[in-house]
Amino acid sequence: ETGVTQSPTHLIKTRGQQVTLRCSSQSGHNTVSWYQQALGQGPQFIFQYYREEENGRGNFPPRFSGLQFPNYSSELNVNALELDDSALYLCASSPRGVEIGELFFGEGSRLTVL
Amino acid sequence: AQSVAQPEDQVNVAEGNPLTVKCTYSVSGNPYLFWYVQYPNRGLQFLLKYITGDNLVKGSYGFEAEFNKSQTSFHLKKPSALVSDSALYFCAVRDGGNAGNMLTFGGGTRLMVKP
Repeated sequence: ETGVTQSPTHLIKTRGQQVTLRCSSQSGHNTVSWYQQALGQGPQFIFQYYREEENGRGNFPPRFSGLQFPNYSSELNVNALELDDSALYLCASSPRGVEIGELFFGEGSRLTVL
Repeated sequence: AQSVAQPEDQVNVAEGNPLTVKCTYSVSGNPYLFWYVQYPNRGLQFLLKYITGDNLVKGSYGFEAEFNKSQTSFHLKKPSALVSDSALYFCAVRDGGNAGNMLTFGGGTRLMVKP
């Protein structure tokens, strides 16, 4: 069984640029959520996708957007990057959209904005 | 709004001694509570959860947690710490009235187990 994989693992961007982060969910998991973890802090919920639609969003501006594809993989897009966007971005998958269960996290994509 | 507090930035314990990592929470509805562990340069790994039922929940690697509704706490415990338990621990809560997997995490507690 393949776990959650994320790419790229590290990347550096400059302020104002755009970035796309990718996530492949664990086999059989149809729900994907994204979290931002700033240095020294706990993860913060960005949004969740279920059946290719966003069905929950945290306190993040519209320049944070996402997609989920028919194979349940997902992308996180961030436009107009700001210095404070520097963080570890974590993708997590789970088996169903509404069941309560543990999340399976990838190892994250570390974004540095200069 | 839901929130989680982990009052200790770091907990130090000697190997073989019991450990406790503290967590308190606030939700408007019934709480769903979780503990996750993060090793350096890795994602989070699930340890245990409380949804309903017995207040003492057992999880992975010998960890357990006790749900206390009156004190709104969900402290993580282990009877005998191992050096390999050294990591960053996060408590998380989800309001039972919300759909989806919107977890609110605490700021984390670094556990240091010394030989």
